[in-house]
Order: sequence, then structure tokens, then C-alpha cells
Amino acid sequence: DAKTTQPPSMDCAEGRAANLPCNHSTISGNEYVYWYRQIHSQGPQYIIHGLKNNETNEMASLIITEDRKSSTLILPHATLRDTAVYYCIVRVGDAGGTSYGKLTFGQGTILTVHP
Amino acid sequence: DVKVTQSSRYLVKRTGEKVFLECVQDMDHENMFWYRQDPGLGLRLIYFSYDVKMKEKGDIPEGYSVSREKKERFSLILESASTNQTSMYLCASGPSDTDTQYFGPGTRLTVL
Repeated sequence: DAKTTQPPSMDCAEGRAANLPCNHSTISGNEYVYWYRQIHSQGPQYIIHGLKNNETNEMASLIITEDRKSSTLILPHATLRDTAVYYCIVRVGDAGGTSYGKLTFGQGTILTVHP
Repeated sequence: DVKVTQSSRYLVKRTGEKVFLECVQDMDHENMFWYRQDPGLGLRLIYFSYDVKMKEKGDIPEGYSVSREKKERFSLILESASTNQTSMYLCASGPSDTDTQYFGPGTRLTVL
């Protein structure tokens, strides 16, 4: 799986968009980008994933650059409850068999949303 | 809503005791996982299972075993608990064809 690089911490004002970057310059063609987050004292929570196209769901948007070497997770209107560690993970999507689900969580980005 | 439940939020055991951590999911997922999380080390995969009665070692299986007799239930067993197994234990489940995982709330185990 490709290695990812994220800033260790970011701040955001409540109500503003939070844009969390992730660098994955060694990503290969069949690798997906997944985002999870972990709020303090809770288990990680799946947010979104994508391969090439931008994706949006009720939680966030995922913007992947055309060369797929980086991506940005966007929380459009951050709230205090969005304060968490955000993990960007790159995974081969068609590894098949028993390879699915063996996620490697790095250090992530600590997002702090301020009032 | 996907629900993954773990038997205890907090657990205190003594060195040498046998410890069972239970995890149940209600989404009929094929895959289930056990991780531990320690400060500075992130989440590390202990064992996972992709089918009933099937199990595979993760990155740190030593000192642990698992059991999956039913699809919805995945148990982590510490045969003889040691102080270095004091940690946050997280269970997750997911479908067989993606890397989307749904985590339980975690069990904070302290071994004295």
C-alpha cells in the first residue's frame, strides 16, 4: 500500500470549511483513498473513500487531484464535534481474498475546531 | 445504522488471568477485526477473520488468540494476561469486498 503524509495538526473555526490534505505520491492505479476519523475515547469512524472521481456524502467531500498524488477531505461546515484525529489511508481495492480490511492507520491529523 | 458492540468499556484484570473480549456486529459482515491502540503507536492489527471459523494473524498476534463460531461474534482471548497487554482494544467489522470498517466503542483493559 502507498504511504501517506498528513500534517500533524490543523485548526478551524466553527462554521467554516475544514480542508484536510493528504499526500500519497506513490499511489498506484488500483489503490483507493480512504478517510477515517477518531474522536477522543471513541473507535475510529469511516468517513468516505474514492478512487479517481471526487466523492461526496452526508459527512464530507473528497477531492482527488487528477494525477491522484494527493487528496483533500473537506468538512463543509465544521462543528465542535468534528474535533478529532483524521486518518488518510491508501489501499489496494482489488487485492481480494483475505487482504481486504487490513488497514494501517498512521499518525493522522489532529483537527481542532474552535468556537 | 451499523452497530458494533463490545462487551465492556472498561476492564481490570490481574496478571495471569484469562481474559475474554467479546465483539458483536449486526450487519452480517463477513470480515471482523481486533486492534489495539496505544499512545504513540497508533492502531495495530492483532487478528482478523474473513469467515466463520477462519482467522488470520495480524501484525501483533503474540499472546492473543481469537474465536469466531458465529458470523456476528468475534472474541479476543488473552490466555494469560500480562501488564504489557494493558491497552485500548478495538473491534471492527466490514463487508468482504471493501476496506470500509465499522468500529466498536473500544474496551480499555488494565492488567495489574
